[in-house]
Amino acid sequence: SQQGEEDPQALSIQEGENATMNCSYKTSINNLQWYRQNSGRGLVHLILIRSNEREKHSGRLRVTLDTSKKSSSLLITASRAADTASYFCATSGSARQLTFGSGTQLTVLP
Amino acid sequence: GAVVSQHPSRVICKSGTSVKIECRSLDFQATTMFWYRQFPKQSLMLMATSNEGSKATYEQGVEKDKFLINHASLTLSTLTVTSAHPEDSSFYICSARAFQGASDTQYFGPGTRLTVL
Repeated sequence: SQQGEEDPQALSIQEGENATMNCSYKTSINNLQWYRQNSGRGLVHLILIRSNEREKHSGRLRVTLDTSKKSSSLLITASRAADTASYFCATSGSARQLTFGSGTQLTVLP
Repeated sequence: GAVVSQHPSRVICKSGTSVKIECRSLDFQATTMFWYRQFPKQSLMLMATSNEGSKATYEQGVEKDKFLINHASLTLSTLTVTSAHPEDSSFYICSARAFQGASDTQYFGPGTRLTVL
């Protein structure tokens, strides 16, 4: 079963704007990861944040994790048309399996 | 980064036939591989965990006799959809966890689009 929800389900912004996606989960985790998926393609790993971390950066990506609220956010700064894709959070717990969120479809308009 | 391949990338078959999908880790050994199914505009749902040299572990609601998984080597896992029906049409994605991995990062294949007519 899916771990949690992502919001918004869909997000449309202009190139250059920032995009923020949120993810909520239900059980305790070891880490939380964000993936990107272009239409009809496989997943690309973006960033991993461990349960004892609160914030992590990678290039134009910024991820936060609040374990007390069981939530995470992904911020993409200065978005580009090429950032158009679906973004999924995935949690990993004691079983070391990944459980995916429902995903956010991001559209960046040129 | 580690590379995982899937073959075929796309398959169209008639109802009642069986389809085999291969998942290979190209530059690392994977004791554990995972099979996911993704319906249009939905998230990935874990179907089963494939362990090299042992039986796969299936998620609740996934028929093990319909979705046969074989993980005969450290670089290859196969998923066979037996007696496929139109409702089995989906995007099937595998992932592999590295043989010596402290990290929980899984490496994903590019997916296989199955269409059952």
